[in-house]
Amino acid sequence: AQKITQTQPGMFVQEKEAVTLDCTYDTSDPSYGLFWYKQPSSGEMIFLIYQGSYDQQNATEGRYSLNFQKARKSANLVISASQLGDSAMYFCAMREGPPGANSKLTFGKGITLSVRP
Amino acid sequence: DVKVTQSSRYLVKRTGEKVFLECVQDMDHENMFWYRQDPGLGLRLIYFSYDVKMKEKGDIPEGYSVSREKKERFSLILESASTNQTSMYLCASYSLGRVNNQPQHFGDGTRLSIL
Repeated sequence: AQKITQTQPGMFVQEKEAVTLDCTYDTSDPSYGLFWYKQPSSGEMIFLIYQGSYDQQNATEGRYSLNFQKARKSANLVISASQLGDSAMYFCAMREGPPGANSKLTFGKGITLSVRP
Repeated sequence: DVKVTQSSRYLVKRTGEKVFLECVQDMDHENMFWYRQDPGLGLRLIYFSYDVKMKEKGDIPEGYSVSREKKERFSLILESASTNQTSMYLCASYSLGRVNNQPQHFGDGTRLSIL
């Protein structure tokens, strides 16, 4: 079974509107972390936001927020007030294990977001 | 800011060649990773290392090896390059911490073509 599922093949949003990018995950470990990365066409991976499994509140970083629904095992990224520069591929990733453990990230297949002017 | 530097942005090699991809980080991170990225498949882990001279296989290690002789440098080696290794290769590093929120920091990637 896939550990990280991103099923939206491609998303379009009008400039200045909000958009939600979906991510579901699968783990039996009670301690885990969820990450979102942005990859523009130039190729670099840019870290956006993090949500820990024990965090009581949804993470926010500027225009990015994470809609974390633990019981549903979903961690959707919400981008508010979309900008043309938000056009990119977005990856959801998970790290399993307690803090400090040597653990790798498992990535989803990514979602392409296109912002229309 | 953390800097992860990959030696080449674009590389073209021939089938059967031995190919070295180099990655250097400047933040004294313990953990380093090599991924390959292919359309529709996301990022897949090839190898990772959590200390000097230590290495662990990832999900797709076949056809690759790695070397970590110094803490700041992690090399990916294609022993005998094949056309199915044409891909984007990404190096990442991160520091162990007491909390789980340390992100992996990535290099700019190497687009490798094997002819």
